Amino acid sequence: LAKTTQPISMDSYEGQEVNITCSHNNIATNDYITWYQQFPSQGPRFIIQGYKTKVTNEVASLFIPADRKSSTLSLPRVSLSDTAVYYCLVGDGYSTLTFGKGTMLLVSP
Amino acid sequence: SQTIHQWPATLVQPVGSPLSLECTVEGTSNPNLYWYRQAAGRGLQLLFYSVGIGQISSEVPQNLSASRPQDRQFILSSKKLLLSDSGFYLCAWSVLSSGTGVLLANVLTFGAGSRLTVL
Repeated sequence: LAKTTQPISMDSYEGQEVNITCSHNNIATNDYITWYQQFPSQGPRFIIQGYKTKVTNEVASLFIPADRKSSTLSLPRVSLSDTAVYYCLVGDGYSTLTFGKGTMLLVSP
Repeated sequence: SQTIHQWPATLVQPVGSPLSLECTVEGTSNPNLYWYRQAAGRGLQLLFYSVGIGQISSEVPQNLSASRPQDRQFILSSKKLLLSDSGFYLCAWSVLSSGTGVLLANVLTFGAGSRLTVL
């Protein structure tokens, strides 16, 4: 299973763009990159998924370089409600997903 | 649309007592089902997963067990709880098939969780 590494925590202010980078140096050819968001006392919620290049939805963008050894979740103009833990996961759909400790994003006024 | 129900939401149990947490999924067939546990201030630990009725895989050896008596029902049990069993238990489901550009098997939908305190 590809292991992921992401910062333990990040701080930002309302209205700023936040980029959270995840390293997955041993990602396999069939692996996809999936990001989740978790609020306290709730289960994680799917945000975005990608295989290569760039993916964008109504919530975030995901940038994946050509070598796919890292990925960056971009949250445009964050608000206080974006304060949460963000998880980066890598998998091929046949192996179970392993959630690490994620990145705790704190958005301040 | 698909929904996932998990109960009870909270429970306080004495050490040595039994446990039963139940999870049901609606609106889909043959889902992959998962039980995760999150201890305070820690990441999610996968406990069990199931790809079909009666098919249970255990990730962590412990005093917990899981069963899948029906296609969309997943039950987490214990005969005798330990203090270390306290935590936030989450049930989740996914499907195996892939959609266009999306690996649906890696898109997990979680229930609201069950917070267990063992005293």
